[in-house]
Amino acid sequence: IAGITQAPTSQILAAGRRMTLRCTQDMRHNAMYWYRQDLGLGLRLIHYSNTAGTTGKGEVPDGYSVSRANTDDFPLTLASAVPSQTSVYFCASSVDSSSYEQYFGPGTRLTVT
Amino acid sequence: AQTVTQSQPEMSVQEAETVTLSCTYDTSENNYYLFWYKQPPSRQMILVIRQEAYKQQNATENRFSVNFQKAAKSFSLKISDSQLGDTAMYFCAFMKHTLGTSYGKLTFGQGTILTVHP
Repeated sequence: IAGITQAPTSQILAAGRRMTLRCTQDMRHNAMYWYRQDLGLGLRLIHYSNTAGTTGKGEVPDGYSVSRANTDDFPLTLASAVPSQTSVYFCASSVDSSSYEQYFGPGTRLTVT
Repeated sequence: AQTVTQSQPEMSVQEAETVTLSCTYDTSENNYYLFWYKQPPSRQMILVIRQEAYKQQNATENRFSVNFQKAAKSFSLKISDSQLGDTAMYFCAFMKHTLGTSYGKLTFGQGTILTVHP
């Protein structure tokens, strides 16, 4: 089934540890995005990539890094996790940066203790 | 920068009744899209309806319709004949749009939890 997959589904992580959230899409979409969802704040954009090989910062990029080595994969890395990064993380993609419709993955629930 | 505000943290409605969710936004842009997304307990984000700012006609998708007031920067969602499956968190979202392209970055409101009671 075409779409976006995210791994892991959920994770409990000790503060200070490094963690990579994985995101893979098989729709050959050029643009990809990472959002975090927090109660009372909605979803906020962390980083985005308009095409393979390029990335950009969103609204809340501090503490996170991304890479886009190919079209399908867009991993999000927390170099040294802190409790404030406890959140649900969503990966999304769109055909390209001029497309209004974004397709979302199922999300990763991350708890940093 | 754009902001999107949903002032109703929670709403409830009886099955088969009509409910309206409110959304206001602030932007200096003239061309943009507005969206309503649904997030059921499964956590999946589902696009419910979309409105282009240049269109005066309000968008409609089956039981879902919007009331778009551009001058007032208001974008409410009306759900008619509410069903138990409509129980979800609903997010209003904004995306700017310029000269046939958009920038792909969505700005979301805080969300409204809607509960449909039998």
